[in-house]
Order: sequence, then structure tokens, then C-alpha cells
Amino acid sequence: SAVISQKPSRDICQRGTSLTIQCQVDSQVTMMFWYRQQPGQSLTLIATANQGSEATYESGFVIDKFPISRPNLTFSTLTVSNMSPEDSSIYLCSVEELGVRGYEQYFGPGTRLTVT
Amino acid sequence: DAKTTQPPSMDCAEGRAANLPCNHSTISGNEYVYWYRQIHSQGPQYIIHGLKNNETNEMASLIITEDRKSSTLILPHATLRDTAVYYCIVRVFRAGNNRKLIWGLGTSLAVNP
Repeated sequence: SAVISQKPSRDICQRGTSLTIQCQVDSQVTMMFWYRQQPGQSLTLIATANQGSEATYESGFVIDKFPISRPNLTFSTLTVSNMSPEDSSIYLCSVEELGVRGYEQYFGPGTRLTVT
Repeated sequence: DAKTTQPPSMDCAEGRAANLPCNHSTISGNEYVYWYRQIHSQGPQYIIHGLKNNETNEMASLIITEDRKSSTLILPHATLRDTAVYYCIVRVFRAGNNRKLIWGLGTSLAVNP
């Protein structure tokens, strides 16, 4: 399975600022995903990022707030812009691989963001 | 909206089998059932998935009812390290053959010594 790393692992930011989260994969993957997990909640998909095309955002998430880059098949970034305390969450990068039993999705360790 | 319902919490004795139920009564014919778990402060870990046949791997077994409206994840010999939140998830297809995992609230499993 793919090995995924994220930077930073955690950060404390002031409201109004922006943070860019990096996701690095040890193999080439077509589809990458960004999720948000608010405290005590389940995962919510923010957007799907395919290399060479614009990210596709889920309802309730917009590019101005969460711009995403996908410059190659092993790397992506998510920026949380103009942050407010409501953006305090764990942000997770995920990739999809086609295994012998079908598609499997693997997750990075997450970035824990606190906005003050 | 989530397509699965799970009990919010369960307990299991160490060394015993843990049977985690999941209802997915609105699942469609081509939608898979996936199970992940999340140990505190870590990213979710893939466990197993299936469509209609029972599946087994080194981590667990997945039993899907014949009508596909429910399933059970079985951890055959639970250890303390299996304490985690277990998510039963339906994978749906969307336009352009894109796939999306629909996450529910999960079951918090506590394995007790």
C-alpha cells in the first residue's frame, strides 16, 4: 500500500492567516483526496484532486477557501485560507490505489490545525 | 448524508471475537461496503471491503447479508491494540466514474483486558 506523509503534522495559527498543507506519496497515484475531520466527528470530503485537472470540490467547499494544487502524480497541497476558529480540524490527505480486490483508499497521518 | 448506521459504542474482551454490525439498507447494486478504523490521533486505516460475497484477509472477515442491507465486521481475536473507532462506509459511483466514500459516525470499540 502507498505510504503517505503530510506536513506539518500540527500547527496553531491566528485567524485571518492561511496555511498550506503538503501531502507526499511514495508512489504515483491518479486520484488524491482531501478530507476534513472536525473534533469528535467523522470524515468529510473536501475535494478530489486529479493530476492535470482542476480539483473537484464537494458541496459546501469552494476553491477560494481551500485552493488545491496537484503538480504531479506524487504530491498535492491544500491551503486553508483566511482561517477562522471554525476551521480548527484535522485535515487528511488520501490516495486511491487499484489492488487485487479492487480500489482501496489510504490515508496520511493528518494535519491537526488549531485556529485561535 | 451517511448511508450506514452503526452502534455508537461496543465493548469486547481481549482474545474474544469482536463482531461489529452495520446497516446499509439503501445501498445500490454496484456500491461496495468498506471498513476502516481510526486509532486516536491517527489517519484512518483500511481494513477490508466487499460487494456481495464474504471476504477475509489477515486483519478481519466481512460478512454481507444476501440482501446486502447489512454487514458484520469480525475481528477474530481482539487485542488491546484493536481499540479504535470502526467506520462502515459505502463507496458510491459518480459522474465520470469517480468514486466517493460516504462516511458514517462509526462504532467506538473498546477492547478490555
